Amino acid sequence: EDQVTQSPEALRLQEGESSSLNCSYTVSGLRGLFWYRQDPGKGPEFLFTLYSAGEEKEKERLKATLTKKESFLHITAPKPEDSATYLCAVQAFSNQGGKLIFGQGTELSVKP
Amino acid sequence: DAGVIQSPRHEVTEMGQEVTLRCKPISGHDYLFWYRQTMMRGLELLIYFNNNVPIDDSGMPEDRFSAKMPNASFSTLKIQPSEPRDSAVYFCASSPPINYGYTFGSGTRLTVV
Repeated sequence: EDQVTQSPEALRLQEGESSSLNCSYTVSGLRGLFWYRQDPGKGPEFLFTLYSAGEEKEKERLKATLTKKESFLHITAPKPEDSATYLCAVQAFSNQGGKLIFGQGTELSVKP
Repeated sequence: DAGVIQSPRHEVTEMGQEVTLRCKPISGHDYLFWYRQTMMRGLELLIYFNNNVPIDDSGMPEDRFSAKMPNASFSTLKIQPSEPRDSAVYFCASSPPINYGYTFGSGTRLTVV
């Protein structure tokens, strides 16, 4: 069964304190791994897609990396506006084109 | 582009009543997805469509749930009869033919009392 586990559940950082979020996955043939950001009361917002081990993507203070078993979302010198829940999801080749399996998310809080 | 549009934003209904949630996907997106989000279970896929045709409805919890997509610009998710355990936020999302990332709507927060 395809599965995604995110850790930690919650993370509190001081502004400027860099850290990483973890996404461990088991999937029968990975087509893609996705990261989303979700603000309270809103729908998830797409950040990155990673397709193969060793791949990295960057956007502002965020960098996502991928291995054969997990992905990391590195946050460098975070700011309060980075506070949100970060969701990881996987898509398997066995799916007919679209289904994403989501983890439970990591709730990030950045204090000034 | 206005993005994925869902209505209503909030719905409060009594147990046993019929509830209809609506979604307008982004023009040109071939895939449409309905997800449900709760604290206990996170985001769960209920059903998805490709070119208006249902592809996978294995996540629909019971026969009380049904979804339709009569054309490329409109979809509905109906719950009849509704129960308190259906209370959740329901998201609609769409994606283009090559799925490099969904675009989610703002969601409908459903409360069944």
